[in-house]
Amino acid sequence: AQKVTQAQTEISVVEKEDVTLDCVYETRDTTYYLFWYKQPPSGELVFLIRRNSFDEQNEISGRYSWNFQKSTSSFNFTITASQVVDSAVYFCALRGSGSARQLTFGSGTQLTVLP
Amino acid sequence: AAGVIQSPRHLIKEKRETATLKCYPIPRHDTVYWYQQGPGQDPQFLISFYEKMQSDKGSIPDRFSAQQFSDYHSELNMSSLELGDSALYFCASSLLSVDRFSYNEQFFGPGTRLTVL
Repeated sequence: AQKVTQAQTEISVVEKEDVTLDCVYETRDTTYYLFWYKQPPSGELVFLIRRNSFDEQNEISGRYSWNFQKSTSSFNFTITASQVVDSAVYFCALRGSGSARQLTFGSGTQLTVLP
Repeated sequence: AAGVIQSPRHLIKEKRETATLKCYPIPRHDTVYWYQQGPGQDPQFLISFYEKMQSDKGSIPDRFSAQQFSDYHSELNMSSLELGDSALYFCASSLLSVDRFSYNEQFFGPGTRLTVL
């Protein structure tokens, strides 16, 4: 069975602060894929990043960065210099390498960036 | 680039009515997934189809059925609607890959918001 845990239900920060969203996962697969999605108030799911289990390089994309650590089964997401437009629900998701290809989502973290 | 199309975007139904949600995958994608996201919840996998055959089944109620047609579009049929069926329904599509080093990324549609009164 696969499981994704996002322990932070809600986070509020003031604009320009840095914020880290935590994601811990469980899987028995040796090859798996991790994702972050953003869901703004309009409801659509916006793909942010995919990370393969055999690639532990951290990644930076503009103000976004991701820290993948297999040793702790974590895939944390940091927003630097947050902006009001970053306010959204952020989901971490997992997909194994087996025949079942659906995504298992965490419960999401509601991020509110205050002006 | 073409994206996943879902219709309708919004749907209001009464209890015990039926509803049909449609999904048009990205051209040449052969796999369709349906997810249900209740209010304040994370998306939950319902069912998926590969080449018009059901490939995986998740927490889909018996009152729901789905199929994928010859043109690869998919429909989710929901009968005897209950208040608890009110949710955002996402469809995603992908191109299946058998290479363990690649990934058939799922592209999500904008969702259909179903409200059951």
